[in-house]
Amino acid sequence: EAGVTQFPSHSVIEKGQTVTLRCDPISGHDNLYWYRRVMGKEIKFLLHFVKESKQDESGMPNNRFLAERTGGTYSTLKVQPAELEDSGVYFCASSHSENTEAFFGQGTRLTVV
Amino acid sequence: AQKVTQAQTEISVVEKEDVTLDCVYETRDTTYYLFWYKQPPSGELVFLIRRNSFDEQNEISGRYSWNFQKSTSSFNFTITASQVVDSAVYFCALTEIYSGAGSYQLTFGKGTKLSVIP
Repeated sequence: EAGVTQFPSHSVIEKGQTVTLRCDPISGHDNLYWYRRVMGKEIKFLLHFVKESKQDESGMPNNRFLAERTGGTYSTLKVQPAELEDSGVYFCASSHSENTEAFFGQGTRLTVV
Repeated sequence: AQKVTQAQTEISVVEKEDVTLDCVYETRDTTYYLFWYKQPPSGELVFLIRRNSFDEQNEISGRYSWNFQKSTSSFNFTITASQVVDSAVYFCALTEIYSGAGSYQLTFGKGTKLSVIP
């Protein structure tokens, strides 16, 4: 069974540009989460999808971040326009149900220069 | 508010030594889950264990063991006879257990980088 897959693994963009990160959860997992780790700090929750619906987006930092999960399968996280402080590692996780353990992908390392 | 503290930023041990990674948490909830994740150099977060707040029994899995003590709000992780492959960043995390639909968002500590030297 394939794990959680994230694309790309690395992205370097200039300030002001747009970047889209993609996450393919484990097949059959309705719950999908996005997290972010900024250099030297904790991994922080961004948002939670149940199928295609946003269950909780309390961790989204501002309106430059847009997450979608059309069809309830893969999810995208778009940053537009990117700022320097958006640099970090973005993790995606999925779980079968809300009270089971989440499985994480390898993360996307985003560098904004 | 929830908080997870991993006071040890980096630890180095020589292979075959035992090592304990500390985790202290804060929460106002009476029901919660505690987790440990391992992040090897490849980057992904690998699930190691989940423990709910009702179960204070210690757990052992091979060379790994976990000591959960509600009285001190700690959930420490011990690796016995460490190996080079244990070198990684280890994260402790916490989430509330909701009675209904909710978001099981994890609150993470900053992680402890473990280096096992051959």
